[in-house]
Amino acid sequence: QKEVEQNSGPLSVPEGAIASLNCTYSDRGSQSFFWYRQYSGKSPELIMSIYSNGDKEDGRFTAQLNKASQYVSLLIRDSQPSDSATYLCAVNKRGTYKYIFGTGTRLKVLA
Amino acid sequence: ETGVTQTPRHLVMGMTNKKSLKCEQHLGHNAMYWYKQSAKKPLELMFVYSLEERVENNSVPSRFSPECPNSSHLFLHLHTLQPEDSALYLCASSQALRSHTGELFFGEGSRLTVL
Repeated sequence: QKEVEQNSGPLSVPEGAIASLNCTYSDRGSQSFFWYRQYSGKSPELIMSIYSNGDKEDGRFTAQLNKASQYVSLLIRDSQPSDSATYLCAVNKRGTYKYIFGTGTRLKVLA
Repeated sequence: ETGVTQTPRHLVMGMTNKKSLKCEQHLGHNAMYWYKQSAKKPLELMFVYSLEERVENNSVPSRFSPECPNSSHLFLHLHTLQPEDSALYLCASSQALRSHTGELFFGEGSRLTVL
């Protein structure tokens, strides 16, 4: 079982729709959760961090964490073509410096 | 403009060459990382330094040698690499807090091609 799993996609959504990206993780000791956006040929850019169960909103982005289900998601409202990128989920193990990444979900927002 | 800068951005080297990648962070963070990103694979953690002390070494071949002279600078020395080492090498930094490790911030990466 992979430590952090994401559907590789591509996930295609029309412009203006809500894009929903999902991530599961295997280590129950995981404490910190992150979403990164990576454009082709560029480095990952932090979008959201979430540390406790529930929702966290920042502009058009909402991160959702459910530790009991070992599940974290990212919702992008009013999706724009500029949101087209690969979205990486990362998990940090408690007490370590290890940030474990998923393979990423490729999102395509169709104009 | 990123708070983590990497040089060179692109590097082509032969298998017998010796080269180094350089990373500098301007964020006042206390931990620095090297990650490797290959196509279709998740980011692979290579090394972590906290306060100039190596705290993680993820079974990386000895042909990769890290160096952290201070909390702002990190190097990755490369020698006798293999073609399969061709990848994007990402430097990152974070601020380790008492309660948890904070967000990871990446540099723009060094694209390495080994011929």
